[in-house]
Amino acid sequence: GAVVSQHPSWVICKSGTSVKIECRSLDFQATTMFWYRQFPKQSLMLMATSNEGSKATYEQGVEKDKFLINHASLTLSTLTVTSAHPEDSSFYICSARDFQGNSYNEQFFGPGTRLTVL
Amino acid sequence: GENVEQHPSTLSVQEGDSAVIKCTYSDSASNYFPWYKQELGKRPQLIIDIRSNVGEKKDQRIAVTLNKTAKHFSLHITETQPEDSAVYFCAARPTGYSSASKIIFGSGTRLSIRP
Repeated sequence: GAVVSQHPSWVICKSGTSVKIECRSLDFQATTMFWYRQFPKQSLMLMATSNEGSKATYEQGVEKDKFLINHASLTLSTLTVTSAHPEDSSFYICSARDFQGNSYNEQFFGPGTRLTVL
Repeated sequence: GENVEQHPSTLSVQEGDSAVIKCTYSDSASNYFPWYKQELGKRPQLIIDIRSNVGEKKDQRIAVTLNKTAKHFSLHITETQPEDSAVYFCAARPTGYSSASKIIFGSGTRLSIRP
C-alpha cells in the first residue's frame, strides 16, 4: 500500500527559531501533497496544497511567508515554520495523492509531526 | 469553497449498540466522501468511502449512506466494540486534479463505547 512518512515525528524549539518538516511518499509519486494543522481536540485544517515544481496554494488566513512550502520532487515536500511562536504549537500532518490514480483516488496521510514552541 | 458540518461532536453508546454520525456538505461539485478514524496522536485512517454515484456502501459493521440531493451523508457503526472508541471525521472532496480538489474535513465526532 501507499506509505507516507514525516520527519521529525516531534520537535521542540525555542520561540523565534525556524523548523523544517519533511513529508515523503515512499512507494509512489505524488504530484500533489497537502499540509494540514490540527490543534488539540479539533479537526484537521488544510493549510496549503503543494504541487511538484510549482508554488503552493495557501488557504485563506494562512501566512505564506510564515509557512514556507517546497515541493521539489515527486516524493518530497517540506514545510518550514519560520520564526515559530508558542501559538504555532500544533500537530502538522501531510498527505499525498497518488500520481497514477484516477480522479477518485485516495489521499494517504503521514503520521504527523508534533511541534512544541517554548 | 467546500464546508462540511458534522454532528454530534460527542457520542457515547453502550457496547453492542449502533452509532450514527451525520454530515452535510455545501459544494455540489464534491463527489468523493471519505470517513476517517483517528486515535489520539495518530494519523487519520480511512475506514470507508463513497462516491457520488452510489447511495450506500457497507463493509462489515460499517456502512455509509449518501443523499446527494440533500447533500447529506452518514456513517453507521453496528455492534459497537470498545476498539471503536476514537474520533471520527467525515470529509468531502470534488473530483479532478486541480488545486480545488482537496479533502475538507468535518469537525469530528468523539465516539465513546461504554462497556
